[in-house]
Amino acid sequence: DQQVKQNSPSLSVQEGRISILNCDYTNSMFDYFLWYKKYPAEGPTFLISISSIKDKNEDGRFTVFLNKSAKHLSLHIVPSQPGDSAVYFCAASGLFGNEKLTFGTGTRLTIIP
Amino acid sequence: ETGVTQTPRHLVMGMTNKKSLKCEQHLGHNAMYWYKQSAKKPLELMFVYNFKEQTENNSVPSRFSPECPNSSHLFLHLHTLQPEDSALYLCASSQTESNEKLFFGSGTQLSVL
Repeated sequence: DQQVKQNSPSLSVQEGRISILNCDYTNSMFDYFLWYKKYPAEGPTFLISISSIKDKNEDGRFTVFLNKSAKHLSLHIVPSQPGDSAVYFCAASGLFGNEKLTFGTGTRLTIIP
Repeated sequence: ETGVTQTPRHLVMGMTNKKSLKCEQHLGHNAMYWYKQSAKKPLELMFVYNFKEQTENNSVPSRFSPECPNSSHLFLHLHTLQPEDSALYLCASSQTESNEKLFFGSGTQLSVL
């Protein structure tokens, strides 16, 4: 039973437009959420996080939104750049990060020049 | 060398072989992890070491045997694997076991014939 779901395996977005990656979770005990980015032949790298006491966290072009009632979070990238083409993993944990991470299956984002 | 280094990058082995995966982190972290990534599946946590002590074994078959001689090095010894064990094996580290930010290596792509 997957507790963290990324239902879109892939997404293509025109350069300069907004990319929106979605993630749903089922475990109401999750209270800390992270996005990781993975390029081919490299390990995932941390991108941005949000705790359940917030509903939005912004870092440059990247913004994560959390809707606790819907158990849904999303990552917005604006404007999208070719270097953003990668696989994005959503992850969640409980106790504000003090429990092990549960990952989603990832969404492959392709930015079209 | 910086970050988390994994060797080898690729490994092909027969079901009767014995091989080892190596991970080294140069970040001064105290926790190290082995993850498995199979195609179209979420990253699966296998083992966690905190200050060289194993703190989690996520129901991993005994044909996978981890070893952590110190906080900077982590090994995964492989013995009589099955073809379904073919996957990307990722090592990660974090400052402590409360792992809101994991730093991953590039992984070892393992093929079991």
